[in-house]
Amino acid sequence: EIVLTQSPGTLSMSPGERATLSCRAGQSLANPYLAWYQQRPGQAPRLLIYGASSRATGIPDRFSGSGSGTDFTLTISRLEAEDFAVYYCQQYENSLTFGQGTRLEIK
Amino acid sequence: QVQLVQSGAEVKKPGASVKLSCKASGYSFTSFYVHWIRQAPGQGLEWMGIINPGSGATGYARKFQGRVTLTSDTSTSTVYMDLSSLRSEDTGVYYCARDASHAEYLQHWGQGTLVTVSS
Repeated sequence: EIVLTQSPGTLSMSPGERATLSCRAGQSLANPYLAWYQQRPGQAPRLLIYGASSRATGIPDRFSGSGSGTDFTLTISRLEAEDFAVYYCQQYENSLTFGQGTRLEIK
Repeated sequence: QVQLVQSGAEVKKPGASVKLSCKASGYSFTSFYVHWIRQAPGQGLEWMGIINPGSGATGYARKFQGRVTLTSDTSTSTVYMDLSSLRSEDTGVYYCARDASHAEYLQHWGQGTLVTVSS
């Protein structure tokens, strides 16, 4: 099983700032089979990024993904009020596993 | 548009079984795999298993093997998740999700079903 470790656990930021969320895989992904999801309270997760860097349909361009191997990053360039939520990474190279999540909260 | 509509909340006693449904619409039901994901209260996402709705082929996370069964009904475009020998730790929200045709990232999600296991 590929373990994904997200950091930080909680990120406190202000609207307009740039947020950087990290996801580290316990073993190298030979392919960029890494996705990111956003989950707001009381809602189902929403796909943001797939293939490590491709934005899903309808996702604003302030969201971007990067990385390869074991280290992946989700960047939100200018935080808006609606972006404060929990974010999960997920690998799909070997079965499916999720990271434990990063909570992005308003400072 | 793609929709996955899940069945309503359930309350079960320890040792019982629960069967949840996930009705798909807006796409070719047999062309995309469906996954089930669990979320315990205040916790993260946990993958449970996958089904090919067309062939009925399944795969399960090691943690749930022997307790979970996924089935599909092509006549109603519905996928079912049966979880047996329920314990309090099974309390949580259960989601179905459809992946992309070529890779297992989860493009569309159901609204979730709350299962409460309590004596």
